[in-house]
Amino acid sequence: ETGVTQTPRHLVMGMTNKKSLKCEQHLGHNAMYWYKQSAKKPLELMFVYSLEERVENNSVPSRFSPECPNSSHLFLHLHTLQPEDSALYLCASSQEYGLSYNSPLHFGNGTRLTVT
Amino acid sequence: GQQVMQIPQYQHVQEGEDFTTYCNSSTTLSNIQWYKQRPGGHPVFLIQLVKSGEVKKQKRLTFQFGEAKKNSSLHITATQTTDVGTYFCAGVTGNQFYFGTGTSLTVIP
Repeated sequence: ETGVTQTPRHLVMGMTNKKSLKCEQHLGHNAMYWYKQSAKKPLELMFVYSLEERVENNSVPSRFSPECPNSSHLFLHLHTLQPEDSALYLCASSQEYGLSYNSPLHFGNGTRLTVT
Repeated sequence: GQQVMQIPQYQHVQEGEDFTTYCNSSTTLSNIQWYKQRPGGHPVFLIQLVKSGEVKKQKRLTFQFGEAKKNSSLHITATQTTDVGTYFCAGVTGNQFYFGTGTSLTVIP
């Protein structure tokens, strides 16, 4: 059972579509993350929010747009994606982000995205 | 730039055999974390190592952090089918997590 919930679990979208991924954490954590997981690659950090403020943006294309309306919710808005964007998108949370950056990550089940 | 290499990429073992995965960083880490991802699942935190030379055990799993804090290993004794999955290390330095590519473990009954 995970304290981090992601919806939808699966998403198929065309390159001209606009969709959003949703993440909700019930752990009272202050930091939330979006990761991309592709086959045979390390987990790629996309965005980090700490106390609803974006603190990292790792050179992610502008077709991915994050939103963090409060410390419990995180969205990833998608538009005009490419087939190479097909991957598992994982949301995670941790107690804190910052100098003592050693809080373990709690991951959601992920959204399996296929771009056609 | 910072890299965390993990080997092997895949490992097939007979049930009851031991298994080890190794993680090497190009730079010194402040700590290292290990995660397990079951097939179709999401990464789940297993343990964190902080001190140089630290060794921690969880039942059949033994985790080590190297003296130089640049490498780590996870050893499973007498594997079981429930150990199937991908094991990731995540080196932590500064504000960054650096995930290894993972080792996918298959246990043959």
